[in-house]
Amino acid sequence: TQLLEQSPQFLSIQEGENLTVYCNSSSVFSSLQWYRQEPGEGPVLLVTVVTGGEVKKLKRLTFQFGDARKDSSLHITAAQPGDTGLYLCAGGGGSYIPTFGRGTSLIVHP
Amino acid sequence: DTGVSQDPRHKITKRGQNVTFRCDPISEHNRLYWYRQTLGQGPEFLTYFQNEAQLEKSRLLSDRFSAERPKGSFSTLEIQRTEQGDSAMYLCASSVDLAGEKLFFGSGTQLSVL
Repeated sequence: TQLLEQSPQFLSIQEGENLTVYCNSSSVFSSLQWYRQEPGEGPVLLVTVVTGGEVKKLKRLTFQFGDARKDSSLHITAAQPGDTGLYLCAGGGGSYIPTFGRGTSLIVHP
Repeated sequence: DTGVSQDPRHKITKRGQNVTFRCDPISEHNRLYWYRQTLGQGPEFLTYFQNEAQLEKSRLLSDRFSAERPKGSFSTLEIQRTEQGDSAMYLCASSVDLAGEKLFFGSGTQLSVL
């Protein structure tokens, strides 16, 4: 079983602060996905990273895939209350069945 | 709306009753997944279909759970003799790419077993 560990589990910050959340595994993944989930809703795909060392930007969000394709990070610049949610990473590996981490619950206070 | 649709959004049932959930995937998506999520956890894989074939089932899926996808379109997930431990959000997702790694989720069915 490919396990994904996410840290921190909880994060509570003020609007305008920067933050980084992490997704780590001992397994190599062919790709990693990041999702955001709001209460009472399903996760929404933000990005897929495929190549080791790859960096992708989505407005104020920067995603990086580790060189060895075992870990990833999500950095948010100048967080806004609308960024509040559960951030999940998922990896498919060779089984094609995406496995999810427990997520990082982010609250951004105005 | 052409996203993934799940029905019902909420279900409250008494222990021992049977419940059935429905998922309508995005029409051109050939893969369909069921996940279960409890508070403070990420989604846990239950089962998935490629077209009408159920290709894999998790050990989490006990004999009381059954899923179908007739004709490779919508899918149903049935839980027989519900238990309080079945209380969770049941999420359906579909995908189209060959690796099946980019999932599009429905809003889920929140099940509460009293």
